Amino acid sequence: GQQVMQIPQYQHVQEGEDFTTYCNSSTTLSNIQWYKQRPGGHPVFLIQLVKSGEVKKQKRLTFQFGEAKKNSSLHITATQTTDVGTYFCAGPEGAQKLVFGQGTRLTINP
Amino acid sequence: NAGVTQTPKFQVLKTGQSMTLQCAQDMNHEYMSWYRQDPGMGLRLIHYSVGAGITDQGEVPNGYNVSRSTTEDFPLRLLSAAPSQTSVYFCASGVRLGEQYFGPGTRLTVT
Repeated sequence: GQQVMQIPQYQHVQEGEDFTTYCNSSTTLSNIQWYKQRPGGHPVFLIQLVKSGEVKKQKRLTFQFGEAKKNSSLHITATQTTDVGTYFCAGPEGAQKLVFGQGTRLTINP
Repeated sequence: NAGVTQTPKFQVLKTGQSMTLQCAQDMNHEYMSWYRQDPGMGLRLIHYSVGAGITDQGEVPNGYNVSRSTTEDFPLRLLSAAPSQTSVYFCASGVRLGEQYFGPGTRLTVT
């Protein structure tokens, strides 16, 4: 079946540094979603990208969907301690399943 | 709206015991699903449902059963618990293939 791979698995940064996580699919995706999970919490929806080459911004977060709709990235500018958590991408498999990547765990040194 | 609720929050089982994890949503979503989360493995889909009376298997369905008799409820049953089922379980509901709302999770330990 489809695989959604995320890299890196872990990332540790100094507060104020930028952070990027990448998501790659073995198949073309109809959409890609991003979620954030705070330590001890549950995943929370951040955004959905649908169009080829789409770029969306939410304050310091920039989301991109690749031209071939097989990869995506999440970039955080000037990280803050509130950005700590695990970031997941998710994409549809077939018409009914949503498959998640393994996640990138972000830790920040204040 | 309560959103997605899950009970219990924590559970310890002995190998071979059975139990049901409860999940309910009040957003009238047709699509509901169960995931398990293990360190380094991300969120793996166990079972999902596209509406009342309809369920199907995800990536890791073995050892689990589900039913969907109403739109609101989607319980997950462990038939005979095994240590490999120690995990955090999340129920989610939402638009099919769109934004998903997750419950707070159930942390299960099987000894």
